Amino acid sequence: AQKVTQAQTEISVVEKEDVTLDCVYETRDTTYYLFWYKQPPSGELVFLIRRNSFDEQNEISGRYSWNFQKSTSSFNFTITASQVVDSAVYFCALSEYTGGFKTIFGAGTRLFVKA
Amino acid sequence: DTGVSQNPRHKITKRGQNVTFRCDPISEHNRLYWYRQTLGQGPEFLTYFQNEAQLEKSRLLSDRFSAERPKGSFSTLEIQRTEQGDSAMYLCASSENTGNYYEQYFGPGTRLTVT
Repeated sequence: AQKVTQAQTEISVVEKEDVTLDCVYETRDTTYYLFWYKQPPSGELVFLIRRNSFDEQNEISGRYSWNFQKSTSSFNFTITASQVVDSAVYFCALSEYTGGFKTIFGAGTRLFVKA
Repeated sequence: DTGVSQNPRHKITKRGQNVTFRCDPISEHNRLYWYRQTLGQGPEFLTYFQNEAQLEKSRLLSDRFSAERPKGSFSTLEIQRTEQGDSAMYLCASSENTGNYYEQYFGPGTRLTVT
């Protein structure tokens, strides 16, 4: 069965620190997609990134970077030089081909960035 | 594109009442998904449609819940005889049926409070 685990419930950092949010997933599909979403206090889910199971290249977008490792079923997210505006709940999610691409979310990691 | 819209944004109801929520997906999207998010948790899949056909329902969707998408465009989610445990954010998402069908666009959600 598919599952997404975000072991870190809350993380607190001081502005300008780097922070890594962990995500471990389980799936039996060979075709699947992994996502990170941000949910600020306003509540709307904001799409950050998608990776498919055939593309293990890491990606960097500004201060954000993602490390996808199929060997350990992990898809970790790093924020470099964190800012107060990064404070939010971050969700890792999995969509499988055989599941009609319904999205299975982790429980989320709440990030507090203090000035 | 105007994005996925949901109405109402907030709903307060008394226990035992029926409520109905509406979701308008992005116009050319064939797939439509409903999720529920309770406080401190990630969104949980409820059901999804491809055009007007409801293809999968989670066991979270009890007999008191029903979802429809009569013309393959907007969808409604009805909860009968609401209970306090139904208090949550109800999220709708849509995606294409071809091409980037794995990429779901989320609406702002309907927050339900059952008193």
